[in-house]
Amino acid sequence: NAGVTQTPKFRILKIGQSMTLQCAQDMNHNYMYWYRQDPGMGLKLIYYSVGAGITDKGEVPNGYNVSRSTTEDFPLRLELAAPSQTSVYFCASSRTSGWPGNEQFFGPGTRLTVL
Amino acid sequence: AQSVAQPEDQVKVAEGNPLTVKCTYSVSGNPYLFWYVQYPNRGLQFLLKYITGDNLVKGSYGFEAEFNKSQTSFHLKKPSALVSDSALYFCAVIVGPEGNNRLAFGKGNQVVVIP
Repeated sequence: NAGVTQTPKFRILKIGQSMTLQCAQDMNHNYMYWYRQDPGMGLKLIYYSVGAGITDKGEVPNGYNVSRSTTEDFPLRLELAAPSQTSVYFCASSRTSGWPGNEQFFGPGTRLTVL
Repeated sequence: AQSVAQPEDQVKVAEGNPLTVKCTYSVSGNPYLFWYVQYPNRGLQFLLKYITGDNLVKGSYGFEAEFNKSQTSFHLKKPSALVSDSALYFCAVIVGPEGNNRLAFGKGNQVVVIP
């Protein structure tokens, strides 16, 4: 199993540009999450999904959009990039059965810089 | 709101000495607590969790954590630290309604093990 994969690894955007961060998992997990990590701030939840076709906002959703058309994929869309979106973005997934307390599996991250 | 706090920014220990990374929690109801580790330029890796039962939880890489309800703490411990344990450690707690497995993270502790 590849686990959780993310592309690209690095990206530099200009202010106002748009891009999609890709995330895929091959563990048949229903739950998927997007976080951003800023130095000294821990991880903040942007959006999450409990299954294909179902998404919901986390703590810091402004400036982002998501979709979940399949169990495997959970792309994060940045529209009109701003310097405040410079961060490291992590995708994660977890299984459904055996709640509570299923651990999340994380991808390697995408380092995004907006100039 | 459910939350965790990691009061220290950095923990420095000599190799071979005991390592403790502190975490306190604030939850209503039963706390479901986690520890994750992040090595440089990598995603987070699950170390251990407390859901219910024994207050001493054993995890990966020789780590353990002690759940203390009266002190609302969930400190991570390792009896003898290795240089390879140098990393960023995050405490986390499940938040939100049953069934979506959302996590709230502390700000993280940088652990430095000195040879």
